Amino acid sequence: KAGVTQTPRYLIKTRGQQVTLSCSPISGHRSVSWYQQTPGQGLQFLFEYFSETQRNKGNFPGRFSGRQFSNSRSEMNVSTLELGDSALYLCASSLDGDRVSPLHFGNGTRLTVT
Amino acid sequence: QKEVEQDPGPLSVPEGAIVSLNCTYSNSAFQYFMWYRQYSRKGPELLMYTYSSGNKEDGRFTAQVDKSSKYISLFIRDSQPSDSATYLCAMKETGTYKYIFGTGTRLKVLA
Repeated sequence: KAGVTQTPRYLIKTRGQQVTLSCSPISGHRSVSWYQQTPGQGLQFLFEYFSETQRNKGNFPGRFSGRQFSNSRSEMNVSTLELGDSALYLCASSLDGDRVSPLHFGNGTRLTVT
Repeated sequence: QKEVEQDPGPLSVPEGAIVSLNCTYSNSAFQYFMWYRQYSRKGPELLMYTYSSGNKEDGRFTAQVDKSSKYISLFIRDSQPSDSATYLCAMKETGTYKYIFGTGTRLKVLA
């Protein structure tokens, strides 16, 4: 079974631009979560989607948004990029997102904002 | 105070040693506990997953949860240089979809 696939692996953007990251979950997994990983803060929860509905959102500004498609694939968008948005963005999928269904992560998209 | 505390290390041990990695937490509602291993430039890889209290063993890895002390541990037996990585603990409440992660412990196993 193929794992979680994230594209692109690396991105370099300048301040003020916007960016879209893509995630394909493991086949059969319906829940997709996004996390931001930085050296100082570790993994911080962004949001979680299930059947195209956002069920939970973390404490990030409205510049961070996401969506999920009917095939469970998900995209994350960051608008008006700031230097502090430089991070590894990780997508994770699970069967359900609740109860006995742990997260399986992709290898992330490394975003650098200059 | 963070909800989940984890010593960042680095923790250096000789090959073959038993490694003990730990996390403490403050939220008594956490019911699901996980351990992940993350190599450089890779995403976290699920190692162990436990529900509520008790022990779980899988090969060289043993996970322990002590809910009364709000303390979880991961033991690695016969550690190998290939175990050198960052180890992350994660936990969540029933009915939520958000996992809270520790900041990770960097482990180095010396050949």
